Amino acid sequence: GQQLNQSPQSMFIQEGEDVSMNCTSSSIFNTWLWYKQDPGEGPVLLIALYKAGELTSNGRLTAQFGITRKDSFLNISASIPSDVGIYFCAGLPLLDFNKFYFGSGTKLNVKP
Amino acid sequence: KAGVTQTPRYLIKTRGQQVTLSCSPISGHRSVSWYQQTPGQGLQFLFEYFSETQRNKGNFPGRFSGRQFSNSRSEMNVSTLELGDSALYLCASSFRTSSTYEQYFGPGTRLTVT
Repeated sequence: GQQLNQSPQSMFIQEGEDVSMNCTSSSIFNTWLWYKQDPGEGPVLLIALYKAGELTSNGRLTAQFGITRKDSFLNISASIPSDVGIYFCAGLPLLDFNKFYFGSGTKLNVKP
Repeated sequence: KAGVTQTPRYLIKTRGQQVTLSCSPISGHRSVSWYQQTPGQGLQFLFEYFSETQRNKGNFPGRFSGRQFSNSRSEMNVSTLELGDSALYLCASSFRTSSTYEQYFGPGTRLTVT
């Protein structure tokens, strides 16, 4: 089946630093979603992307739909302690458009 | 607009028992998906219902079943519980237009099997 490779698996950064993470797949996707999950809670939708090359922001978060349609990137600028959590990417394949596939998550730790 | 709700939030069951989890999607959303989340396996897709019909199914044994009602509310049932079924069970409701497709998660039901 489809696999999404998300990296890095975890990050330890200092407050104020910028963060980058990405997801790649072996096939073409036509939708990318980025989520954040706090411990014991459900993932919260942060950003949705629908077109190759699309760049979308949500506050300090910016995500991009890769031009090849096989990857997506999430950047967080000027991180703060409340950014701590697990970030997931989810993709909808071009040829299986009713089922989302998820990355394994990037665990973000921010030191005050 | 109210978000996705799941009940109960926490559940403790014994091996061999069965359990039913409930999910109410966002108003107007007709698609409901269920996922199992464990530390070792991440988010695993169980099944998706749309207009009371199962549209997609993941690779889980037949002990895991679900259904959707005419008001789009969904239930998931796990029979003959095993220790390995301990997990966070997440429900997600989806809304699709001609150009967008978004999926929103509920808070989850934490199931512990002893």
